[in-house]
Amino acid sequence: EDKVVQSPLSLVVHEGDTVTLNCSYEVTNFRSLLWYKQEKKAPTFLFMLTSSGIEKKSGRLSSILDKKELFSILNITATQTGDSAIYLCAVVSFTSGTYKYIFGTGTRLKVLA
Amino acid sequence: ETGVTQSPTHLIKTRGQQVTLRCSSQSGHNTVSWYQQALGQGPQFIFQYYREEENGRGNFPPRFSGLQFPNYSSELNVNALELDDSALYLCASSYRVSSYNEQFFGPGTRLTVL
Repeated sequence: EDKVVQSPLSLVVHEGDTVTLNCSYEVTNFRSLLWYKQEKKAPTFLFMLTSSGIEKKSGRLSSILDKKELFSILNITATQTGDSAIYLCAVVSFTSGTYKYIFGTGTRLKVLA
Repeated sequence: ETGVTQSPTHLIKTRGQQVTLRCSSQSGHNTVSWYQQALGQGPQFIFQYYREEENGRGNFPPRFSGLQFPNYSSELNVNALELDDSALYLCASSYRVSSYNEQFFGPGTRLTVL
């Protein structure tokens, strides 16, 4: 059965700290890995990763994928209180002509002032 | 360009009842996916619609059904509601069925089953 596991489940840090969130997966017919930020309801898109070793970067956030070891990390540097949210990892698989999105349970990040 | 909208925002039902949730996809998007997110969990894929046909389904029973209309809006229907159906239901739209297209999520419908 396809699964996506995120760690840690929750994390409390102080402003200015750097955090690393992990996402490992066991998915047949992998197509891509997505990171989302969920603050209240609607998850908002952060990154899509399809190739190993190529870092995606947006401001203080960056992410990389390792398709050999089947994991991805999301780094946030110089954290701010506005980074407090649930960070979701999703893997897209393609089986029997259809795509499926398999989400992890998320990492709940709290950044203290 | 309008984003993904969902209605209603909140809904309270009792066990055994039926519910219909609605989603309007983002302008230009022809694919809609539905997810169930229980408290403290990640979204669980229910199904996806592309050009008015179901194009993929997660591990949900047949009492979860859906429709997509010619304007690409979509409905999620749940029959014979159970207490465990209480959750946030999210819909997401994308340009076409492909892993290389970003999904945009709506704000969700919070369903409570008593």
